[in-house]
Amino acid sequence: GDSVTQMEGPVTLSEEAFLTINCTYTATGYPSLFWYVQYPGEGLQLLLKATKADDKGSNKGFEATYRKETTSFHLEKGSVQVSDSAVYFCALNYWAGNTPLVFGKGTRLSVIA
Amino acid sequence: NAGVTQTPKFRVLKTGQSMTLLCAQDMNHEYMYWYRQDPGMGLRLIHYSVGEGTTAKGEVPDGYNVSRLKKQNFLLGLESAAPSQTSVYFCASRPREPGNSPLHFGNGTRLTVT
Repeated sequence: GDSVTQMEGPVTLSEEAFLTINCTYTATGYPSLFWYVQYPGEGLQLLLKATKADDKGSNKGFEATYRKETTSFHLEKGSVQVSDSAVYFCALNYWAGNTPLVFGKGTRLSVIA
Repeated sequence: NAGVTQTPKFRVLKTGQSMTLLCAQDMNHEYMYWYRQDPGMGLRLIHYSVGEGTTAKGEVPDGYNVSRLKKQNFLLGLESAAPSQTSVYFCASRPREPGNSPLHFGNGTRLTVT
């Protein structure tokens, strides 16, 4: 079956550091890939997505590129801020059908000033 | 626009008690989901619904029941609560098409079973 594997956290960075959170997937078809973010005390919200190979999703300074050859969708940001402290989830599903979203286990990021 | 609203926000139950969690969405979404979130386990799907009057089991359905009598509401019931059901519960919804539409989440219900 389909699965998503994320790097384990927590990840602790100083403000303005470079961020990478690794995500790899196993899929039977051609999935769409997502990053969701969960701020403290809130539900998840979509951060960015990519729907086909070589697409780059971007939002709020975060980027991720859909790499079919390495089955990866790593999240990056050039300069993190304290306000980026949150839990980040990688996920996949499909353009057609009603397959529920498959989530990774989440990576907690803490940014210190 | 309220989006997805979950009630209650917090609840403490004794073992064996029952309760119902309510999820309401005002986006006319066909699909609705219940997840639980536990430390180190990520999000696990309990039940979901692809339309009014239909429900399906997810990854961890045991001990829970659901109903979708109205399109905008999705209820999660615990008939006899157990300490293992202590968790944060999230409801989410999305439109039917396209299948890769993003999920819209509520802010969660924190349930403690003693």
